[in-house]
Amino acid sequence: IAGITQAPTSQILAAGRRMTLRCTQDMRHNAMYWYRQDLGLGLRLIHYSNTAGTTGKGEVPDGYSVSRANTDDFPLTLASAVPSQTSVYFCASSYTAGDTQYFGPGTRLTVL
Amino acid sequence: GENVEQHPSTLSVQEGDSAVIKCTYSDSASNYFPWYKQELGKGPQLIIDIRSNVGEKKDQRIAVTLNKTAKHFSLHITETQPEDSAVYFCAATLLDSWGKLQFGAGTQVVVTP
Repeated sequence: IAGITQAPTSQILAAGRRMTLRCTQDMRHNAMYWYRQDLGLGLRLIHYSNTAGTTGKGEVPDGYSVSRANTDDFPLTLASAVPSQTSVYFCASSYTAGDTQYFGPGTRLTVL
Repeated sequence: GENVEQHPSTLSVQEGDSAVIKCTYSDSASNYFPWYKQELGKGPQLIIDIRSNVGEKKDQRIAVTLNKTAKHFSLHITETQPEDSAVYFCAATLLDSWGKLQFGAGTQVVVTP
């Protein structure tokens, strides 16, 4: 069992480009989350999905979109990347919404 | 919504000594308080959690205490070892409420030999 996988591990991106960060879990968890982690700011929730087919906005959703077509996958898309989106992005999942969350290894994104 | 404050932001301890990290939360309805450890280059990993129906929980060298009246909870690490060096995050939420975990800003713990 792999748990949660994220791809790519790291990426350097030109401003204005479109980018999709991938997240897959094999634990059959209903809820999934995307966070960004910036120095001194901890983990901030971008978007979440309580169950397949539904999504919601977190604390910092602007500039990001998500979809949840099935239970296992929860991709995060930056439609037109900006330098302020340079960060480490973590995907997480939990059996139900509000339950213990398990995190993936992260994607380090640099927007130039 | 919930707001979690975490102190200190950095903590340096001598190997073998104890480390204590404190968090306060604002929403008295919160009933679930997990602690995560994040090692360099990795995602946060759950190390211990506590629910509001207990005041203390231990797991080997780590323990968490909860004071619901004062709305604060603490992580205690005894007999610290170099492998305890990491960033630790506290969090709070109301379980089964479709609510979201609210994280503290993190504590960088450095254990020196």
